[in-house]
Amino acid sequence: GAGVSQTPSNKVTEKGKYVELRCDPISGHTALYWYRQSLGQGPEFLIYFQGTGAADDSGLPNDRFFAVRPEGSVSTLKIQRTERGDSAVYLCASSLTSGGDGYTFGSGTRLTVV
Amino acid sequence: DAKTTQPPSMDCAEGRAANLPCNHSTISGNEYVYWYRQIHSQGPQYIIHGLKNNETNEMASLIITEDRKSSTLILPHATLRDTAVYYCIVRVWSAGKSTFGDGTTLTVKP
Repeated sequence: GAGVSQTPSNKVTEKGKYVELRCDPISGHTALYWYRQSLGQGPEFLIYFQGTGAADDSGLPNDRFFAVRPEGSVSTLKIQRTERGDSAVYLCASSLTSGGDGYTFGSGTRLTVV
Repeated sequence: DAKTTQPPSMDCAEGRAANLPCNHSTISGNEYVYWYRQIHSQGPQYIIHGLKNNETNEMASLIITEDRKSSTLILPHATLRDTAVYYCIVRVWSAGKSTFGDGTTLTVKP
């Protein structure tokens, strides 16, 4: 596609529920990144994929967070047993390779846990 | 990745050049300088990157000091649409991930 697409754009869920956030990267981009951003702060790295494999998941805060990219294109970020502190904008980005290319970001999914 | 330091906010008059500084005094020889910006309610947008030579593209110019310990992003003729948070990042070319700080909020005023 023309850009990175994230769905849904907004998600409200109850504390303790499970959520999935989807990212469609630019076609042909092999690297995919997930970040989350709290109000007034810069994006915080969560995980990045090179192809189908997670090359660096050091930013995932705990084992409630998990991400997959089974076919090397679309990725899903999964959050179990959501907590109010998980409320943030979740950003996805892709780049042609994991080398020095600049990232193209999506518009994000705003997750609110009530 | 080396840490960067940016002023939290800056103002610029419309039509004038906006010069955004970034300090990266601990940068390593194989780390590049990248700039992104984020307009309210949107994802960050890549602007430019460089290693040691000055770079220019259709959006901006990047000036890196000879010792590479600091850099300046220049928007030559700022418009109201350039109001955004600007992030300076340093990363190794093959590192994959980028670490964002809190950036500089640039406000362009009429």
